[in-house]
Amino acid sequence: DAKTTQPTSMDCAEGRAANLPCNHSTISGNEYVYWYRQIHSQGPQYIIHGLKNNETNEMASLIITEDRKSSTLILPHATLRDTAVYYCIVRPGLRTTSGTYKYIFGTGTRLKVLA
Amino acid sequence: DAGITQSPRHKVTETGTPVTLRCHQTENHRYMYWYRQDPGHGLRLIHYSYGVKDTDKGEVSDGYSVSRSKTEDFLLTLESATSSQTSVYFCAISPGQGNEKLFFGSGTQLSVL
Repeated sequence: DAKTTQPTSMDCAEGRAANLPCNHSTISGNEYVYWYRQIHSQGPQYIIHGLKNNETNEMASLIITEDRKSSTLILPHATLRDTAVYYCIVRPGLRTTSGTYKYIFGTGTRLKVLA
Repeated sequence: DAGITQSPRHKVTETGTPVTLRCHQTENHRYMYWYRQDPGHGLRLIHYSYGVKDTDKGEVSDGYSVSRSKTEDFLLTLESATSSQTSVYFCAISPGQGNEKLFFGSGTQLSVL
């Protein structure tokens, strides 16, 4: 299963775009990239996911490089409420025999949005 | 939080005591998971369930057992709690069948003294 590498921490000015990078150089062709975030001590929250095309939803945009070895999560106009730990996860290509996936979370990037 | 309730929210117990944490969902999702979160380790999968009475081990299952007698309830039991099991425990659910997103509960802070 592909592992991910993320910077430990980042700062971003309020109102500016926050660009969070993730390296997944060993990703396989059928493995998706998922992003979650965890605000303070709450449970993680799903943000977005993608396979090879760029994706956008109401929360963020996901840019995946053509070789799929890295991706960037973009929060277009960061607010103080976006201060959180952001996890980049590669969903395994194969389901378990029980039909689900074993998601492996790393330690993520701690994003601090500054006023 | 997507119809997920974890109980208790906080618990302090002594070494050697049995402890059971409960996860209750109202979404009728097939898959349920227990994770623990510790500083420097991120979230680690303990056990998961893919249906009533169907469970499997995650990456850190030693010292834990689980049960799922109803679709909506997934119990995590520490048969004899140890200080190394002091952690924040999160339950997650997922519908499966093409929707693989995880939805997490608010967590249980467990302290084993």
